[in-house]
Parts: sequence; C-alpha cells; structure tokens
Amino acid sequence: EVVLTQSPGTLSLSPGERATLSCRATHTVSSIYLAWYQQKPGQPPRLLIYGASNRASGIPDRFSGSGSGTDFTLTISRLEPEDFAVYYCHQYAASPRTFGQGTKVEIK
Amino acid sequence: EVQLVQSGAEVKKAGESLKISCKGSGYSFSSYWIGWVRQMPGKGPEWMGIIYPSDSAIKQNPSFEGQVTLSADKSINTAYLQWTNVKASDTATYYCGRVRGGGENGYFDFWGRGTAVTVS
Repeated sequence: EVVLTQSPGTLSLSPGERATLSCRATHTVSSIYLAWYQQKPGQPPRLLIYGASNRASGIPDRFSGSGSGTDFTLTISRLEPEDFAVYYCHQYAASPRTFGQGTKVEIK
Repeated sequence: EVQLVQSGAEVKKAGESLKISCKGSGYSFSSYWIGWVRQMPGKGPEWMGIIYPSDSAIKQNPSFEGQVTLSADKSINTAYLQWTNVKASDTATYYCGRVRGGGENGYFDFWGRGTAVTVS
C-alpha cells in the first residue's frame, strides 16, 4: 500500500500569505495519478488538482500543484478567507488507492 | 449538471443490516466508475472501492473486503453500499464519488454530500 504522509499537520497563516503543503509517498507515484482536495466542515471533499499539476474546472489560479516521484506540493499563492480548510492528497495509481491524513490551514 | 444524490442519515444498532445509495444524474451513469469513501469523525478519507455500473466490475480495498458489498443498478442510475452486520466501528460518513481520468485509475471529480451512519 502506498502511504501518503502530509506535512505539516496544521499550518497557521494570515490571509494574503502563501501556503505550501507537502505530500510524501512511501513508493513512487506517477505524477499523472496524484490529486489534491479541499474539505470544509460538513462538506464533501472538493477536487482542486489532478495529475499533480492540473487545476480542476473552476479552481482559481492561486492554487497550483507540483512534484514527482515521491514528493508533491500544493501551493496557495495568496490565501483568501475561503481557503481556510483541510487539504488532502490522493494517489490513484496503485491499489488500494489512498489518501493522506490531511493538512489543516487555519487562520493565524 | 452532474449530481450525485446520496440517501439520508442512518442510525442502526450493532448487528443490523444497512444499505445506502448514491443516485447519479446529468451524465452517462454507466460509463464512469463510482467509488465509495469512508471518513470517520475527525479523520482523513479512506478509499473503500469502486464499481463500474455498466458490468458491475468491482475493485475493492482489501481492508474492506468481506465487510461491505458494492453494487449498482444501471437501470436507475444508482450505486449501493451494503452491510449485513454493522458494528460500532462502522460509524462514519460515507461519500460516493464519480471516478474520472483514467478508467478505474482515476480521481474523484464529483462527490455526493455524504451519508452519516451511526451505529450504537
């Protein structure tokens, strides 16, 4: 099983600041099989990024994804109030598909 | 507009059976894998398995094999997740999602709003 470890567990930042979230895999993941989701309380996850770097439909360009192999990054260039949430990475290459444990981005 | 509408919250006693549903609309339901994800309170999502409604092919997480059954009825655009004997440890929110991108190797592009299951 590919285990995804996200860091940090919590990121305390102010609106307007840059957020950098990390996702590290125990085995190499082809970049075309890595996604990022945003989840707010009481809501389902929302797709942000697929294929490591492709923004989903309707996602603002302040969200970007990068990485390859075992190290992937989600960057939010300037945090807006609505971006404070939990973020999960997800690999869909190997069985079973797996998710990271999440990074919470909270208001400082 | 793609929509996945899940059945309502359930409260069960340990040992009872349960079947929850996910109805798709706004797209060709039979042509996309549908997946189920468990999210326990305060935890990250867990991939349970996926089903292809066209032929009911299933790919399942070994951790959930024998615990739940995935099924689908393409005639009514609905996927199901079923337990014969729920346990307290099944208390969670269950999401369905449409799989997009690479056949069975895809990400979830649309999600249902979740079905909360409480087992006492």
